[in-house]
Amino acid sequence: EVQLVQSGAEVKKPGESLKISCKGSGYSFTSYWIGWVRQMPGKGLEWMGIIYPGDSDTRYSPSFQGQVTISADKSISTAYLQWSSLKASDTAMYYCARRGYWFDPWGQGTLVTVSS
Amino acid sequence: QPVLTQPPSASASLGASVTLTCTLSSGYSNYKVDWYQQRPGKGPRFVMRVGTGGIVGSKGDGIPDRFSVLGSGLNRYLTIKNIQEEDESDYHCGADHGSGSNFVVVFGGGTKLTVL
Repeated sequence: EVQLVQSGAEVKKPGESLKISCKGSGYSFTSYWIGWVRQMPGKGLEWMGIIYPGDSDTRYSPSFQGQVTISADKSISTAYLQWSSLKASDTAMYYCARRGYWFDPWGQGTLVTVSS
Repeated sequence: QPVLTQPPSASASLGASVTLTCTLSSGYSNYKVDWYQQRPGKGPRFVMRVGTGGIVGSKGDGIPDRFSVLGSGLNRYLTIKNIQEEDESDYHCGADHGSGSNFVVVFGGGTKLTVL
């Protein structure tokens, strides 16, 4: 079974750093892109960026370029999304998803709460 | 890049049918759109891709035959027949644009389907 399992919920203060993870299993991790999608409370989906774990080729949405860093460690089949300095406006659910021609499957989501 | 527009809400009675619409912005009538279902408190799951010729590829895992798609002009439709309680969800459409360093994915605002 193809599966993406994300790390658990996080509560952070503004200005703190954070790295969340997405571990793939049941398929060749290096052969598919992994995307990250933000969903703010009560809102729609926003595409943040995508990485190809085979060679770490990464593309960012212009809206998120410079705000986050996407990376991957193919030796442990894991992709990451990280922030160097969180803001309250980063409070959201974050999903990873495997990209073939479309996003399928999706991880279960990681809730990030940023509050002083 | 295209803009995808979805009505914020729709409703249908148990056992009835409903058609959800995703409208591409002008100039993008040849684009394919992906439909995703997001049940309350859950992550999205892929439903199917639609172009002007109808479904592209196969449905997502576990998507019942009651779900179908059509495409016409700038509109991409998702029809659900014999609506069940478990169909009450947010439905998102998405499309990709460009390639290489210009690759982006855009999503509509989502439609909340209420089963009466």
